[in-house]
Amino acid sequence: KNQVEQSPQSLIILEGKNCTLQCNYTVSPFSNLRWYKQDTGRGPVSLTIMTFSENTKSNGRYTATLDADTKQSSLHITASQLSDSASYICVVSVNDYKLSFGAGTTVTVRA
Amino acid sequence: EAGVVQSPRYKIIEKKQPVAFWCNPISGHNTLYWYLQNLGQGPELLIRYENEEAVDDSQLPKDRFSAERLKGVDSTLKIQPAELGDSAVYLCASSLRSGGGPSYNEQFFGPGTRLTVL
Repeated sequence: KNQVEQSPQSLIILEGKNCTLQCNYTVSPFSNLRWYKQDTGRGPVSLTIMTFSENTKSNGRYTATLDADTKQSSLHITASQLSDSASYICVVSVNDYKLSFGAGTTVTVRA
Repeated sequence: EAGVVQSPRYKIIEKKQPVAFWCNPISGHNTLYWYLQNLGQGPELLIRYENEEAVDDSQLPKDRFSAERLKGVDSTLKIQPAELGDSAVYLCASSLRSGGGPSYNEQFFGPGTRLTVL
């Protein structure tokens, strides 16, 4: 069973709208949680990194939250742009080098 | 600064043929990773190198897959012979080193090589 579950699997939003992606994990203990953006045909690029003591981290229009007690994280995209169309992957670091990847949420932003 | 470089970007081969992928990590990064990513899934680790030493190859199917990082810089991943189920994207990533917290072990990914086995 995957230790990192993401929802929804995919979503379509209109340009300018907001959306929130969910990540539930069972990895324990964990070092940190990251959200990656993966454009089609490209490698994943890190958006945010949070340790277990951090509750929120922002990177421009991307805001990630973490609840280490319930083992849940979310990624909020504000005022979506066409360039936000990508797969967003939740990644939990088991230790300093081992990563557990979610399957990703595919976001499509339409004009 | 250049990112992780991979080549080729795309490869189409017939089953039972050999194939090789090349990766040049970010300059100064001691740790190199090879991942396999199936369509609609997250990457899965195949092998991790610390300099020239393969420190974690537990997920590498050693009957047909091999990898090397002879001088501790660039690396090659080989499949021989390829099977239909090997069709996937092969990602290479690098980090400064393992350990030392997220500032040091953040992994930077290359664009991947998309392999299609016919």
